[in-house]
Amino acid sequence: TQLLEQSPQFLSIQEGENLTVYCNSSSVFSSLQWYRQEPGEGPVLLVTVVTGGEVKKLKRLTFQFGDARKDSSLHITAAQPGDTGLYLCAGAKSYIPTFGRGTSLIVHP
Amino acid sequence: ETGVTQTPRHLVMGMTNKKSLKCEQHLGHNAMYWYKQSAKKPLELMFVYSLEERVENNSVPSRFSPECPNSSHLFLHLHTLQPEDSALYLCASSQDFTGELFFGEGSRLTVL
Repeated sequence: TQLLEQSPQFLSIQEGENLTVYCNSSSVFSSLQWYRQEPGEGPVLLVTVVTGGEVKKLKRLTFQFGDARKDSSLHITAAQPGDTGLYLCAGAKSYIPTFGRGTSLIVHP
Repeated sequence: ETGVTQTPRHLVMGMTNKKSLKCEQHLGHNAMYWYKQSAKKPLELMFVYSLEERVENNSVPSRFSPECPNSSHLFLHLHTLQPEDSALYLCASSQDFTGELFFGEGSRLTVL
């Protein structure tokens, strides 16, 4: 059983559209991270959320941590081709982060 | 210098070869990690080192042998690998196990 479930698995949209991806778990996390990974590269840290209900914004990206600290969402407004990549969430229970399978996003010009 | 550097970026080896992957971090972090990334699977944690001591070994076969000579360098020694070991091997570092990982670009390994 996977600890972190991400949905959708794949997303193909046009430039300018909005989208939301989800990261869900039955476990409580002390913190949760979102990463973006481009083909042939390592994941790059986007944000960390720590407090239940927390909302963080990074330009057109909005991250939310669930009140119970079991789930999170990433919303992208007016997606651009540069947003294309694999979006990974990771939860830290003790000190070792566990990753979801990721959401593969393609934004077409 | 980029934060975390991995070499080589690509490696092709036979099942009887011995090779090593190298990772160097320039961030002053005190923890380093090896992850394996295969198609359609989550990143799998392999090893964690804190201050040069191994603190996690996630049931990895003995054909993978890690080495951490100091807090800036991490190696993964490979021998008698199997084709199913072909994957992207990612090195990462962190400070004080905050959960925030800084990854290298990865070493793409192909085992023939």
